[in-house]
Amino acid sequence: RKEVEQDPGPFNVPEGATVAFNCTYSNSASQSFFWYRQDCRKEPKLLMSVYSSGNEDGRFTAQLNRASQYISLLIRDSKLSDSATYLCVVNVYTGGGNKLTFGTGTQLKVEL
Amino acid sequence: EPEVTQTPSHQVTQMGQEVILRCVPISNHLYFYWYRQILGQKVEFLVSFYNNEISEKSEIFDDQFSVERPDGSNFTLKIRSTKLEDSAMYFCASKEGGDTEAFFGQGTRLTVV
Repeated sequence: RKEVEQDPGPFNVPEGATVAFNCTYSNSASQSFFWYRQDCRKEPKLLMSVYSSGNEDGRFTAQLNRASQYISLLIRDSKLSDSATYLCVVNVYTGGGNKLTFGTGTQLKVEL
Repeated sequence: EPEVTQTPSHQVTQMGQEVILRCVPISNHLYFYWYRQILGQKVEFLVSFYNNEISEKSEIFDDQFSVERPDGSNFTLKIRSTKLEDSAMYFCASKEGGDTEAFFGQGTRLTVV
């Protein structure tokens, strides 16, 4: 089983639509969770951290279910500028330190 | 706003040559990372560095790779003898604490010919 698994998409949605992305992770020792956004040939940029209680930032809502090892991202009222690849990222403490493990990313295309 | 900076932005090198990719992490950060992304593929972990030593490395990070933090500000990745398959975007990242988010540099595009 992959460490972090995402549906690669692409998700093609009209402007104004609501779209949801899911992610599962295999390591139950995972400590912290993030959604990053990556535009073509650019670096990943933090979109939001994900907390067990769920958190919202404007049009974006993230949820974490530790029991199911499942993370989600909901984007409401999608804009053309939301078109990007969304990366699910899991931080795991290892013997010596910690590392961030990336999912393959889910590609979103928002269309007129 | 503090940021992670990487140089060069693009490097072309001949197979078998050594390359050094440079990074300046955010100044109060304690954890440092190198990742790579082959075109069209996922972001892959190479190595993490904490307290002046490697804390974890992936299978990709073999004897051809090394990292250094020579002067307390720079963080370098060296590839001793480059192969064609080393062609990728290399990202440096840093973070302040174990559970905090990581900030990424803009990347170095390495092309091995």
